[in-house]
Amino acid sequence: SQELEQSPQSLIVQEGKNLTINCTSSKTLYGLYWYKQKYGEGLIFLMMLQKGGEEKSHEKITAKLDEKKQQSSLHITASQPSHAGIYLCGADGSGNTGKLIFGQGTTLQVKP
Amino acid sequence: NAGVMQNPRHLVRRRGQEARLRCSPVKGHSHVYWYRQLPEEGLKFMVYLQKENIIDESGMPKERFSAEFPKEGPSILRIQQVVRGDSAAYFCASSNGGTTEAFFGQGTRLTVV
Repeated sequence: SQELEQSPQSLIVQEGKNLTINCTSSKTLYGLYWYKQKYGEGLIFLMMLQKGGEEKSHEKITAKLDEKKQQSSLHITASQPSHAGIYLCGADGSGNTGKLIFGQGTTLQVKP
Repeated sequence: NAGVMQNPRHLVRRRGQEARLRCSPVKGHSHVYWYRQLPEEGLKFMVYLQKENIIDESGMPKERFSAEFPKEGPSILRIQQVVRGDSAAYFCASSNGGTTEAFFGQGTRLTVV
């Protein structure tokens, strides 16, 4: 079965610094989803990537899917305290159901 | 989030009682997914439903758990005879199926006492 591994598990950065979170799959990804979760709250949809080499940006967050479609990275530029939370990558392993498996999450703290 | 509504947000049940969790998908979405997030664990798939049909329930415990998504009304996740181990956050997501954008609700936090 497909597994997703996120790294690092946790991250503490100074406000204004850039950071990258990685998500690696054991199998080809048909769809890769990034979500953000604040503690005790729901998941906020960030981006979805489908095609090898695809890159999407929203405000200061950029996500990429590699050409082989087995690894994705989420990059935050000039981090702010509002970026703090848990970042989750999810993958559609089958490509036709929308059923997602998730990584364990990366907890981000941004120090003012 | 694009309008997935879950209620209640918090639910407390005594052992042996029933818990009913509701999920109204984004308007126009006909695919609903339920996930469970146990304390200190990741988000795990439970069940995938389309209107009136269960498509994939491979993540559902074999006993006490059931789900439905009727033609009219919200999707319901029902847990009978709850035990302490059922305490978790239950999330619902909706989409148009396949590899399309999937939006999550705020979750229902079930506490079994």
